Amino acid sequence: GAVVSQHPSWVICKSGTSVKIECRSLDFQATTMFWYRQFPKQSLMLMATSNEGSKATYEQGVEKDKFLINHASLTLSTLTVTSAHPEDSSFYICSALHHPIGGEQYFGPGTRLTVT
Amino acid sequence: GNSVTQMEGPVTLSEEAFLTINCTYTATGYPSLFWYVQYPGEGLQLLLKATKADDKGSNKGFEATYRKETTSFHLEKGSVQVSDSAVYFCALFNAGGTSYGKLTFGQGTILTVHP
Repeated sequence: GAVVSQHPSWVICKSGTSVKIECRSLDFQATTMFWYRQFPKQSLMLMATSNEGSKATYEQGVEKDKFLINHASLTLSTLTVTSAHPEDSSFYICSALHHPIGGEQYFGPGTRLTVT
Repeated sequence: GNSVTQMEGPVTLSEEAFLTINCTYTATGYPSLFWYVQYPGEGLQLLLKATKADDKGSNKGFEATYRKETTSFHLEKGSVQVSDSAVYFCALFNAGGTSYGKLTFGQGTILTVHP
């Protein structure tokens, strides 16, 4: 099946610093990728839709200046958490839309962010 | 709008027991339906899918049938193993409207299988 990677798998950073997370589709091109946030024992919360060559579309309540998304190529999207605070600590998961008609998304393994 | 309702968990079973996780949906048109599985500390893996009414998706002994008349997509497995312990998410994709590409997820069901 289609493979999506994320890097890093976990990161610890100090409050006030920025962290970049990469999401790559390894064996297919994805014009659309998605970024999710997941709290313990909860479902996924969609943060934004990342479109190659255009600005990301953010869900209501998500601060676009804090969570910067760049979809630089057909295989890479990045999420930068700027001026991170402890409340940003979470599990971040990306996905890539593999089949625009059928809606099949493939997910990365996730990134555990801890802000101290 | 679109919505997915999953059977509340957690579900605890003994090995070799029969599993059913209920999933019902609300959507206009003809959505595609998915089951995803998430193992501890990992992302989601596509388990199976169905793209039209009466389709049956199957994989690794799991199966689910797209029932338009009852708007359901229940997940079943005849004999669960300890390695099936995970969180299972039912999800819907509707190509129409402004939700292009987005999946609508259920709340997830935690499954624990004991030896």
